[in-house]
Amino acid sequence: EVQLLESGGGFVQPGGSLRLSCAASGFSFSTYAMTWVRQTPGKGLEWVAALSGSGGSIYYADNFKGRFTISRDNSKSTLFLEMNSLTADDTAVYYCAKDYSSMPVAGTGDHWGQGVLVTVSS
Amino acid sequence: QSVLTQPPSASGTPGQRVTISCSGSSSNIGSKTVNWYQQVPRTAPKVLIYSDKHRPSGVPDRFSASKSGTSASLAISGLQPDDEADYYCAAWDDTLNGLVFGGGTTLTVL
Repeated sequence: EVQLLESGGGFVQPGGSLRLSCAASGFSFSTYAMTWVRQTPGKGLEWVAALSGSGGSIYYADNFKGRFTISRDNSKSTLFLEMNSLTADDTAVYYCAKDYSSMPVAGTGDHWGQGVLVTVSS
Repeated sequence: QSVLTQPPSASGTPGQRVTISCSGSSSNIGSKTVNWYQQVPRTAPKVLIYSDKHRPSGVPDRFSASKSGTSASLAISGLQPDDEADYYCAAWDDTLNGLVFGGGTTLTVL
């Protein structure tokens, strides 16, 4: 059974940093691209970043380039999202999702984590 | 403003058939596959349709989807109260080099 378990969320002050993790199990992790999607309160889904199965190809939405860093450790079946210079607008539930192939172009959401809440507030 | 355009709301009565549209462009829907997701409030999204028209195991055949040119649509037949949820389309965009979502459609079962 595929499982994705996010962790690392919580409260952070504006300007601060946070590192999210997504522990995967139940599938060959290095075979699939992985994606982070977020949802701000009361709003729709927003794609944040994606990473190929090998980790060699990385993609970011323009809003997050330079502030967020996606990475993966295939030896530990874990996906990461390093978030810096956080503002109140980054308050959201962050989901990790398994993609359909080794590259993210086929889309994401084969399986989703339960989501982790990040609250940026002073 | 979302790259993919969906109506913000849709509604129907139990048993009815409802369709939700998703309009894009040649750089996304016109050249890449579309996925559809269902999200019940306060829960994680769940894929309903992948690769334009394929249903994952466990998704009822009441859910179907199609694509033509730069538009896609999701159809739900035999509407049930449990179908009340938000529905999103998504596709990779070659120009943006990233995944784009529709703004979401809130389905109300009257």
